[in-house]
Amino acid sequence: GAVVSQHPSWVICKSGTSVKIECRSLDFQATTMFWYRQFPKQSLMLMATSNEGSKATYEQGVEKDKFLINHASLTLSTLTVTSAHPEDSSFYICSALNPPPHVVGYTFGSGTRLTVV
Amino acid sequence: AQSVTQPDIHITVSEGASLELRCNYSYGATPYLFWYVQSPGQGLQLLLKYFSGDTLVQGIKGFEAEFKRSQSSFNLRKPSVHWSDAAEYFCAVVAPTGGSYIPTFGRGTSLIVHP
Repeated sequence: GAVVSQHPSWVICKSGTSVKIECRSLDFQATTMFWYRQFPKQSLMLMATSNEGSKATYEQGVEKDKFLINHASLTLSTLTVTSAHPEDSSFYICSALNPPPHVVGYTFGSGTRLTVV
Repeated sequence: AQSVTQPDIHITVSEGASLELRCNYSYGATPYLFWYVQSPGQGLQLLLKYFSGDTLVQGIKGFEAEFKRSQSSFNLRKPSVHWSDAAEYFCAVVAPTGGSYIPTFGRGTSLIVHP
């Protein structure tokens, strides 16, 4: 079945540094990638949607200059948290889609636990 | 815009008992419907999905769900729960038209299984 590999699984970084999270679709073309943030005991909060070769569309309240999303190929999308601060600590999850949803569906990465100290 | 409600934040069942997790949606037509399970510190795993056709959908791990248009519901069921089913369960709805296919997730239901 469809697999999305997300790396790293966890990362600890110092405040002010940048962190890159990668999501790779291993056996299908991820035309669309969704990036979510999840707080403890809460649902997924959509941060942005990116289509291969296009600029990402960010949800209201998400700083596009802080959360840089690149989707340059059909198999790789990256989220870079720039100048990270402790409040950026969270669980980040990607989800890949090759539309329409009823063919392959949505495939989620295993998530990245970011801790900013 | 579509919305989804999972009215139960927590559900506690005994191992071997039956389970039903509720999901109600709001959308003008029939949406795409999904149930996902998430173990702590992990991503989401698809249990089952409904797009059209037979309203009773079978999924993995012995789960099933029934789409009821009249009630705008897509409840998840399992006849006999195992301790390994303890996890967070999310219902999601997607509008099949418009082209964006952005899922809307419920807040999740935490399943606790007692031995």
